Amino acid sequence: DAMVIQNPRYQVTQFGKPVTLSCSQTLNHNVMYWYQQKSSQAPKLLFHYYDKDFNNEADTPDNFQSRRPNTSFCFLDIRSPGLGDAAMYLCATSLDPVTSGITDTQYFGPGTRLTVL
Amino acid sequence: AQKVTQAQTEISVVEKEDVTLDCVYETRDTTYYLFWYKQPPSGELVFLIRRNSFDEQNEISGRYSWNFQKSTSSFNFTITASQVVDSAVYFCALSERLYNFNKFYFGSGTKLNVKP
Repeated sequence: DAMVIQNPRYQVTQFGKPVTLSCSQTLNHNVMYWYQQKSSQAPKLLFHYYDKDFNNEADTPDNFQSRRPNTSFCFLDIRSPGLGDAAMYLCATSLDPVTSGITDTQYFGPGTRLTVL
Repeated sequence: AQKVTQAQTEISVVEKEDVTLDCVYETRDTTYYLFWYKQPPSGELVFLIRRNSFDEQNEISGRYSWNFQKSTSSFNFTITASQVVDSAVYFCALSERLYNFNKFYFGSGTKLNVKP
């Protein structure tokens, strides 16, 4: 089945120690998203990729970076995790409205739950 | 500005009861899409339904049904004969079309507890 995969499902890191979360997809979607979701809150968009074009949300801290080496993979790098970065990180994909002509559904992966000690 | 309000923070029902989750939205767009997602304790956001602003027909899928009313800017979700497996957080979302992607505005979610 076509899907969005995130690894690892659970990640523990130390305060200030860089960490990388990964996402892969078999849907061949050209848009990929990273969301941060804290406990009892709605998902918050950090950034998205349209193909290889990176787009940051205005309020995303510089501590968060991303890489998309190819259509299938996308990485979230947290350069110096703080206690406030402990959260669920969700990756999602969709078709873009330019080429598809539609507002496509975003399909989410299972998420990576990040703990910062 | 786009905004989605889910006024019910948490609802508890007993199995087999019907339950309705409310969603009210604000948008200045004439064309827009609304979504419902389910988030079980495992964390994955599971897509349930997408509805565009031109289609006000109600939709039924098994025990799930959705009532879209543009006049009241609402897109409510009803679960009939609820089951314990329906326990989850449910998010309503509104999309805004930007140039090369669709930005989602999520409501704050409604946590549904279905007790046996």
